[in-house]
Amino acid sequence: KNQVEQSPQSLIILEGKNCTLQCNYTVSPFSNLRWYKQDTGRGPVSLTIMTFSENTKSNGRYTATLDADTKQSSLHITASQLSDSASYICVVTLQTGANNLFFGTGTRLTVIP
Amino acid sequence: DGGITQSPKYLFRKEGQNVTLSCEQNLNHDAMYWYRQDPGQGLRLIYYSQIVNDFQKGDIAEGYSVSREKKESFPLTVTSAQKNPTAFYLCASSFTGTGTYEQYFGPGTRLTVT
Repeated sequence: KNQVEQSPQSLIILEGKNCTLQCNYTVSPFSNLRWYKQDTGRGPVSLTIMTFSENTKSNGRYTATLDADTKQSSLHITASQLSDSASYICVVTLQTGANNLFFGTGTRLTVIP
Repeated sequence: DGGITQSPKYLFRKEGQNVTLSCEQNLNHDAMYWYRQDPGQGLRLIYYSQIVNDFQKGDIAEGYSVSREKKESFPLTVTSAQKNPTAFYLCASSFTGTGTYEQYFGPGTRLTVT
């Protein structure tokens, strides 16, 4: 069964600290994995995308990693800011089919001053 | 929100009434999608359309209907047959063809049915 699981479900950190969010998936055949950021009451916005051959991708203070062998990805946030408070959603895409996206339930990150 | 607009942002309806949510995009995307988001759950696909005048059911289409008369527009009607309509609804669009294209999301509509 194609599934995407994220952990932790929620996380609270102090401003300026780093954190790492996890995503495990069983989706196959794998095409790519995206991390989205979703502010409260808004639509998700893509942060990074990684294909099978990529194991690290950075976007400013956000760094995503992918281990296609173990089917795990992580999103590392460096020097967190209050504006990083949001939900972070892991989305895995199948190689084929029009209805081919699998969404994790997200990690709710709260950054406190 | 990348050229996709949804209206209204908040919508309140009485039980038993049909309601239509608007979604418009100016990104020249061929494909459009409707998702439902509930607390603690991942996004679930309601309907999608890859070309004008054609659409397919997603995972939770019961109680919903759509139309795709124009490339830019993909309205979603929540009918009285939908048992639990209160949710956050997201519209998305993307290019189609070879390769996997990013879906761009609208700002969402929060529907409350009482």
